[in-house]
Amino acid sequence: DAGVIQSPRHEVTEMGQEVTLRCKPISGHDYLFWYRQTMMRGLELLIYFNNNVPIDDSGMPEDRFSAKMPNASFSTLKIQPSEPRDSAVYFCASSPTNNSPLHFGNGTRLTVT
Amino acid sequence: AQSVTQLGSHVSVSEGALVLLRCNYSSSVPPYLFWYVQYPNQGLQLLLKYTTGATLVKGINGFEAEFKKSETSFHLTKPSAHMSDAAEYFCAVSAAGGTYKYIFGTGTRLKVLA
Repeated sequence: DAGVIQSPRHEVTEMGQEVTLRCKPISGHDYLFWYRQTMMRGLELLIYFNNNVPIDDSGMPEDRFSAKMPNASFSTLKIQPSEPRDSAVYFCASSPTNNSPLHFGNGTRLTVT
Repeated sequence: AQSVTQLGSHVSVSEGALVLLRCNYSSSVPPYLFWYVQYPNQGLQLLLKYTTGATLVKGINGFEAEFKKSETSFHLTKPSAHMSDAAEYFCAVSAAGGTYKYIFGTGTRLKVLA
């Protein structure tokens, strides 16, 4: 099992540009989570999906953020337009069942200049 | 509602000394509790978990934690620190049977001194 795969590992972009982060969960995992990690705010849950359906997006900071899961093996987190305060490490995680431990990807470090 | 408090954002111990990382939780329903470790430039990895049953749980790398309901605590310990234990540690709570929503603590960075 390759684990949760995120791409790109690093993204540097200019303010105002669109950014798309990608995630491939572990096969067979029904839950997918997007987290954001910053020094100031720690790990924040942005959104999570169950069977490709968004269940809770209350952590999505603004309308500039959107997430999709078109199928069981792929999810995207999009920021449009990006701002410097969006700079953070974004993690994707998946799990097989309700309340199972999360399996994290290695994250995408986003820098918005 | 649930929350997690980790006491001490930074902890330093000597190699071979006891490691104690503190975690207190708040939960209106029976909690599931977890400890994760994060090494530089990596995602979080599960160290151990408590769901039901035995309150003393053992994890990887010699770590263990004890669920104490009366104290609402889930402290992480290791009898003898190793240099390779230097990392950031996160406590997390999830609601048993409720909305599946992990809440993470703010993390404790462990430094191991030679």
